[in-house]
Amino acid sequence: DAGVIQSPRHEVTEMGQEVTLRCKPISGHDYLFWYRQTMMRGLELLIYFNNNVPIDDSGMPEDRFSAKMPNASFSTLKIQPSEPRDSAVYFCASSIGRGPYNEQFFGPGTRLTVL
Amino acid sequence: GENVEQHPSTLSVQEGDSAVIKCTYSDSASNYFPWYKQELGKGPQLIIDIRSNVGEKKDQRIAVTLNKTAKHFSLHITETQPEDSAVYFCAAMDDYKLSFGAGTTVTVRA
Repeated sequence: DAGVIQSPRHEVTEMGQEVTLRCKPISGHDYLFWYRQTMMRGLELLIYFNNNVPIDDSGMPEDRFSAKMPNASFSTLKIQPSEPRDSAVYFCASSIGRGPYNEQFFGPGTRLTVL
Repeated sequence: GENVEQHPSTLSVQEGDSAVIKCTYSDSASNYFPWYKQELGKGPQLIIDIRSNVGEKKDQRIAVTLNKTAKHFSLHITETQPEDSAVYFCAAMDDYKLSFGAGTTVTVRA
């Protein structure tokens, strides 16, 4: 398996623009997680899905952020409108199950820069 | 919620020496403690983990210890090699949510 795939790897945009980050989880994994990594706050869980359904979005910072999972092999994280403070590395991770004994496999991340 | 503190933030060791990273957590309900290694431009990768019913676990040059009473756990890397240079994160899990430490940048000097 190719692992978790994320695109784009780098995104540079201007403040106010819409940004869409994409993730393809490992086949057969029922759980998908979106994380954000910044110097100030470290790695934070934004939202997670189980069988394509959002379960916990309490980490989503603002209404400007939204996430979808239309099918088992694809998820998006959208920021509209983007702001400079959204600049971070966004990771997608997937796992077979939830909780201990279920390793979360991380993708390579998308580095987002909002000017 | 869970709060994980990690020390030190940077660690420089001579090749062949040992490296130790320490973490503390706040939520006594946490029962799973993984360690991740993140290399430049890549996502975190699990290198070892420990469950709450185990005090110590070893995998070749890497070992983890857990003290549930004191709520702290540690990563030990022995005989360090240049390829061990990376950022290491500890984490604690309660149910499903991973709470990460701030990370330790380890540099192994040749």
